[in-house]
Amino acid sequence: AQTVTQSQPEMSVQEAETVTLSCTYDTSESDYYLFWYKQPPSRQMILVIRQEAYKQQNATENRFSVNFQKAAKSFSLKISDSQLGDAAMYFCAGSGGSNYKLTFGKGTLLTVNP
Amino acid sequence: EAGVAQSPRYKIIEKRQSVAFWCNPISGHATLYWYQQILGQGPKLLIQFQNNGVVDDSQLPKDRFSAERLKGVDSTLKIQPAKLEDSAVYLCASSLTVYEQYFGPGTRLTVT
Repeated sequence: AQTVTQSQPEMSVQEAETVTLSCTYDTSESDYYLFWYKQPPSRQMILVIRQEAYKQQNATENRFSVNFQKAAKSFSLKISDSQLGDAAMYFCAGSGGSNYKLTFGKGTLLTVNP
Repeated sequence: EAGVAQSPRYKIIEKRQSVAFWCNPISGHATLYWYQQILGQGPKLLIQFQNNGVVDDSQLPKDRFSAERLKGVDSTLKIQPAKLEDSAVYLCASSLTVYEQYFGPGTRLTVT
């Protein structure tokens, strides 16, 4: 079983600046994946970035990168050069076990100020 | 490539009525998921299909919720009878691999 905790209900950032969203997780699985999903007001959930637990190197996707601290069970998302289009609800999620079902955190609402 | 399709997008019903949602996954995706997302929370998995077999339905309220996936493609999720607490967005997702799920736009259900 997995649990995912996002302790920041809301965050805000100025356009062009950097923001970090926090996530902690707990799992008994040795093989698992961690994800950050973005959900704009239109509700379509979009995958932002994925991290395989067995990889030590932090994943990066353009302006998005993660800080994966396996021992601390921490998985934060850094958004560089924030853009107005980054405004959305961000969900941290984990998957593992026999069916790799996704377990989501409660989300962090990111506001980008012009 | 066409994405995950869902219908209807919005539905308003009275409590104790029944409702059904439809999902068409991305072509070739063997795994299909239904999630319930209550306002202010992250999605919660209701049921997972692998082709037309159920892999996980441990969080599906089976006294009122049912789901099927005919011929391993389209899927329907039904609620009968609906309760006020069923008001939520119902998301369908599909996947080809264990590490990436593609989500549909969701159906917003309001039970009055």
